[in-house]
Amino acid sequence: DAGVIQSPRHEVTEMGQEVTLRCKPISGHNSLFWYRQTMMRGLELLIYFNNNVPIDDSGMPEDRFSAKMPNASFSTLKIQPSEPRDSAVYFCAGGVSADTQYFGPGTRLTVL
Amino acid sequence: ILNVEQSPQSLHVQEGDSTNFTCSFPSSNFYALHWYRWETAKSPEALFVMTLNGDEKKKGRISATLNTKEGYSYLYIKGSQPEDSATYLCAKNSGGSNYKLTFGKGTLLTVNP
Repeated sequence: DAGVIQSPRHEVTEMGQEVTLRCKPISGHNSLFWYRQTMMRGLELLIYFNNNVPIDDSGMPEDRFSAKMPNASFSTLKIQPSEPRDSAVYFCAGGVSADTQYFGPGTRLTVL
Repeated sequence: ILNVEQSPQSLHVQEGDSTNFTCSFPSSNFYALHWYRWETAKSPEALFVMTLNGDEKKKGRISATLNTKEGYSYLYIKGSQPEDSATYLCAKNSGGSNYKLTFGKGTLLTVNP
């Protein structure tokens, strides 16, 4: 297995543009988590899905952020419109229920 | 303790030294405590998942203990090597139907050759 796959690995965009981050979890993992990592706040959970259903989105900063998981092998995190304060590394992680989480390589987002 | 807290924030040791650091967490609503190792420019990798009070886990030179009653876990590294340099994260899972992990901010370990 190739592990958790995230794309793009780096994204530079201008304020106001739409950004879509993608994640393909490990086959068989039924939980999927989106995290944001910043120097100030560390690793924060944004949203997680179980069996493709969003369970806890309390960490989503505001309405500009949305996430979907249309099937067990794909999830997206969208920011529209993006702002400079959204600049961070976004990680996707997957696992089986509450067990160990396996992290993807992350997407480094820079919003100018 | 209201949040998951880790100390120290950073640590410099010499190659060959043994070291340890602490993760403190709210003892209520406890299901599991996770430790992750996070090297610069990479993604976090799981080290241990511990669930029972008194649990002790070991992987090579790294070991961890868990006290769920008082809400703390220690991570020990014996004979530190430069390749152990990383940020060590702990995270609490409160269980039930919620699989969410609440992470501490990590301890950054630098091992000097």
